[in-house]
Amino acid sequence: RKEVEQDPGPFNVPEGATVAFNCTYSNSASQSFFWYRQDCRKEPKLLMSVYSSGNEDGRFTAQLNRASQYISLLIRDSKLSDSATYLCVVNGAGGSYIPTFGRGTSLIVHP
Amino acid sequence: DAGVIQSPRHEVTEMGQEVTLRCKPISGHDYLFWYRQTMMRGLELLIYFNNNVPIDDSGMPEDRFSAKMPNASFSTLKIQPSEPRDSAVYFCASSFRRLDTGELFFGEGSRLTVL
Repeated sequence: RKEVEQDPGPFNVPEGATVAFNCTYSNSASQSFFWYRQDCRKEPKLLMSVYSSGNEDGRFTAQLNRASQYISLLIRDSKLSDSATYLCVVNGAGGSYIPTFGRGTSLIVHP
Repeated sequence: DAGVIQSPRHEVTEMGQEVTLRCKPISGHDYLFWYRQTMMRGLELLIYFNNNVPIDDSGMPEDRFSAKMPNASFSTLKIQPSEPRDSAVYFCASSFRRLDTGELFFGEGSRLTVL
């Protein structure tokens, strides 16, 4: 089993739709969790951290489920500009305290 | 403030040649990471440094790869000799203090093509 797994997609949704991605991790001792966004041929950039109680930033909501070892990202009212790859990042996934990236989920928002 | 600076942005070379990729982290950041990204394998951590000291190089694929950080403002990743399977985008990232606080700042990447 891979340390951090994501459905690669692509998720193809119309503008205004709500879309959700999940990410599972294998190490129950993982400490912290993040979502990064990567535009085509660009570098990854931090989108948001994921807190135990869940957190929201505008149209984006992140949730953590430690019991089932997954994190989720919900995007409401999708915009064309949300089209990107969303990378799940887990610290401590491999047993050491370093960030491990999932392979990413591709989102395409169309008019 | 300047972000993480990588060079070259693009490199095309022939199999067997030496490749050197360079990175200047954000001033004051004490962690530096080298990642490799391919379609097949995603982002893989190759090596990371803390205060210029290599901490974990278990991701370095083989002896052909080496990385150095002679000072806090400069790191290199060298491939010698290069092979076509090394073709990928190589990212350098830096971070401040504790890794659990999350944010890695990435450079724009070096896109390597080995023919």
